Amino acid sequence: DVKVTQSSRYLVKRTGEKVFLECVQDMDHENMFWYRQDPGLGLRLIYFSYDVKMKEKGDIPEGYSVSREKKERFSLILESASTNQTSMYLCASSFRGNIQYFGAGTRLSVL
Amino acid sequence: EDQVTQSPEALRLQEGESSSLNCSYTVSGLRGLFWYRQDPGKGPEFLFTLYSAGEEKEKERLKATLTKKESFLHITAPKPEDSATYLCAVQGIIQGAQKLVFGQGTRLTINP
Repeated sequence: DVKVTQSSRYLVKRTGEKVFLECVQDMDHENMFWYRQDPGLGLRLIYFSYDVKMKEKGDIPEGYSVSREKKERFSLILESASTNQTSMYLCASSFRGNIQYFGAGTRLSVL
Repeated sequence: EDQVTQSPEALRLQEGESSSLNCSYTVSGLRGLFWYRQDPGKGPEFLFTLYSAGEEKEKERLKATLTKKESFLHITAPKPEDSATYLCAVQGIIQGAQKLVFGQGTRLTINP
């Protein structure tokens, strides 16, 4: 079974803090994704990566950056957290653009 | 721009009462249509992929069908454990092989 693991289920941070969300997959997938999910807005793509050190912007990249130094790990970085970044963050991975498998999610609250 | 609209937003059924969820889409060129199930506080769980009009897939009480404009998720004789939010997503050719565009989901509640 594919396993996508997000490092934290719940996080509480202060406005202005630098926040790291980590995601690890164990299936040697080349593609990895970060989404945020908000009521009424659905899942929106923040960034994705199709290879180590490669990244592409999704629909809502503003205020976020990403890092992929190893194939199995994809990090989402909030450089200076703001209250409008309070959300559920979901990581996913896929093989050659096929089925995306999701982690359990990180619920981030920025106070 | 690729778009996905799911209806209804919420559906409440009695146990054993069959129904269908709708996913209407517009896409420049369909590479695949995906159905996911999401339980509260958890990540989406993959259910089906459909690639061409006329295709059908089944899993237990669920059956997904696809036309050129929409997909249906039919649920037959549902049980309370089928309660979840069901998400539909499309993968278009022009937008790139990797990107999925999601609908907002249908929240399904099955009462015992």
